[in-house]
Amino acid sequence: AQSVSQHNHHVILSEAASLELGCNYSYGGTVNLFWYVQYPGQHLQLLLKYFSGDPLVKGIKGFEAEFIKSKFSFNLRKPSVQWSDTAEYFCAGKADAGGTSYGKLTFGQGTILTVHP
Amino acid sequence: DAGITQSPRHKVTETGTPVTLRCHQTENHRYMYWYRQDPGHGLRLIHYSYGVKDTDKGEVSDGYSVSRSKTEDFLLTLESATSSQTSVYFCATAGTGDNSPLHFGNGTRLTVT
Repeated sequence: AQSVSQHNHHVILSEAASLELGCNYSYGGTVNLFWYVQYPGQHLQLLLKYFSGDPLVKGIKGFEAEFIKSKFSFNLRKPSVQWSDTAEYFCAGKADAGGTSYGKLTFGQGTILTVHP
Repeated sequence: DAGITQSPRHKVTETGTPVTLRCHQTENHRYMYWYRQDPGHGLRLIHYSYGVKDTDKGEVSDGYSVSRSKTEDFLLTLESATSSQTSVYFCATAGTGDNSPLHFGNGTRLTVT
């Protein structure tokens, strides 16, 4: 079965620290991968996505993620976090099957990031 | 954003009562989805629609039904609400195209007592 796993439930950092959130997936075939962010009391917003091509993906707000096929990983990184990055982060994936699969995402459990000023 | 409005935003209901949540979108997106969000589980797909009157089950569809009579509206019905259905429900839409991302609504917080 397809699955997405996030190993860190809660990460606490100080401002300016570097961030790496882990995400692993299990899919057969070609996979599309995403990172979403949910700020307190808000809906999910897309940070970045990987469909094909360059495995290093740049997203909004200085975030990036690297697709490593051999490790089935798609970790999210940011070199220097800010207090405003405090949020919950979700990794998600889907099989690259087009059509009705567009939004049929499998989400990880989420990682809460708390950044202290 | 895709102009997604969910109603109601909050609801408290009793076990055994039927409940309908509404999702309305203004972007003419073909695809619509209902997810539920629970701590430790992330988001899980309940049902989705790939066109008017075309719907299918997701990962956690038991106890839920959906209807889509118009492109802009996607209704989620809990036929007989149970406490295990206490959750935050998110509607999402996607247009066509391989790179079409999901756009989420603001969610409905449902409490079943």
